[in-house]
Amino acid sequence: EVQLVESGGDLVQPGTSLRLSCAASGFDFDEYDINWVRQAPGKGLEWISYISADSDSIQYADSVKGRFTTYRDNARYSLYLQMNSLRAEDTAVYYCVPGTWNYWGQGTLVTVSS
Amino acid sequence: EIVLTQSPVTLSLSPGERVTLSCRASQSVRSFLAWYRQKPGQPPRLLIYDASTRATGIPARFSGSGSGTDFTLTISRLEPEDFAIYYCQQRRSWPLTFGGGTRVEIK
Repeated sequence: EVQLVESGGDLVQPGTSLRLSCAASGFDFDEYDINWVRQAPGKGLEWISYISADSDSIQYADSVKGRFTTYRDNARYSLYLQMNSLRAEDTAVYYCVPGTWNYWGQGTLVTVSS
Repeated sequence: EIVLTQSPVTLSLSPGERVTLSCRASQSVRSFLAWYRQKPGQPPRLLIYDASTRATGIPARFSGSGSGTDFTLTISRLEPEDFAIYYCQQRRSWPLTFGGGTRVEIK
């Protein structure tokens, strides 16, 4: 069974950093591109990042470019999102989603507030 | 950036009714368009990809059509679990983008 478990979400102050993790199981993680998608409370979906299976290609939305970094450890079946200089508008549930887009975890909530 | 505009924003319907949702792209996305359903408190679920291909396990009452800039998602007969929010997504170019969603509510 495919499982994606996001973790690391927390209540943090503006300007601080946070690292999210995504633990995958049930599929050949190292063969799949992975995306990060977020959803602010009561709002729609926003794609924020993509990383290819071999990490050779990485893309970011303008809203997070220069502040967020996506990387992966295929040996650990894990994906990470390093978030720096957090802003109130980064408050959202963050999902990791394989490139087939047919499996989603439950997400992890990041709240940025003073 | 490709902007996706979904219409209408909200639909009020009864179970058993047929519904057609629209998604319009600001430039051609060819057939690289997907549809998702999101129920309250749950992550989205992929319904349709490549404009018209049903994802694994998606019932036949869901169908997608269109190419270029105009797309539709049709639900032939609304089931109780279909009262939810629907999003379209383009995968033609970076950044990937989603539409603002259409809420299908019970009349």
